[in-house]
Amino acid sequence: DAGVIQSPRHEVTEMGQEVTLRCKPISGHNSLFWYRQTMMRGLELLIYFNNNVPIDDSGMPEDRFSAKMPNASFSTLKIQPSEPRDSAVYFCASSLFQGGQQYFGPGTRLTVT
Amino acid sequence: GESVGLHLPTLSVQEGDNSIINCAYSNSASDYFIWYKQESGKGPQFIIDIRSNMDKRQGQRVTVLLNKTVKHLSLQIAATQPGDSAVYFCAEGSGGTSYGKLTFGQGTILTVHP
Repeated sequence: DAGVIQSPRHEVTEMGQEVTLRCKPISGHNSLFWYRQTMMRGLELLIYFNNNVPIDDSGMPEDRFSAKMPNASFSTLKIQPSEPRDSAVYFCASSLFQGGQQYFGPGTRLTVT
Repeated sequence: GESVGLHLPTLSVQEGDNSIINCAYSNSASDYFIWYKQESGKGPQFIIDIRSNMDKRQGQRVTVLLNKTVKHLSLQIAATQPGDSAVYFCAEGSGGTSYGKLTFGQGTILTVHP
């Protein structure tokens, strides 16, 4: 199995630029989660989807962040405009059903200078 | 200025010893608990889970204990190996409108010395 696939693995961008992170969940999984991990705040849930519908986006830090899931096999997390404090590792995870075991991708390390 | 990060608890053991990693959770409504292992440069990996109607669950070399009275969770690793060195996170979840949503603890760094 390919597992959860995230791209890019590393992203370096300048403040003010738009950043798009991509995730392909495990085939057949109905729920998808976006997390952010920093030394300051640990691992935080940003948003999660069930059957492509956003269920809870209360963890999205501000309007600069948006996430979409146009189909069952693809999701994006966009930051526009990016700021240095957005620097973190962003993880995508998927589960077979809402409440099921979550499988994490390898993460995208974002650096905003 | 200098940034202040989380100061993760650390546990250092010798290969072959048993390890116990502890976690205190905050939400008395949580009914599902999971332990994850995260190696450097990788995403968290599921180890074992337990529901609130149980107080103990065993896996391969791992045991999770749940004490709902004091809201405490522990992970026991038997015969710890150097490959067990990682950061270990507990996570809690509940049903209702938050079904599927996990809240992660800060993590514990486990270092196993050969």
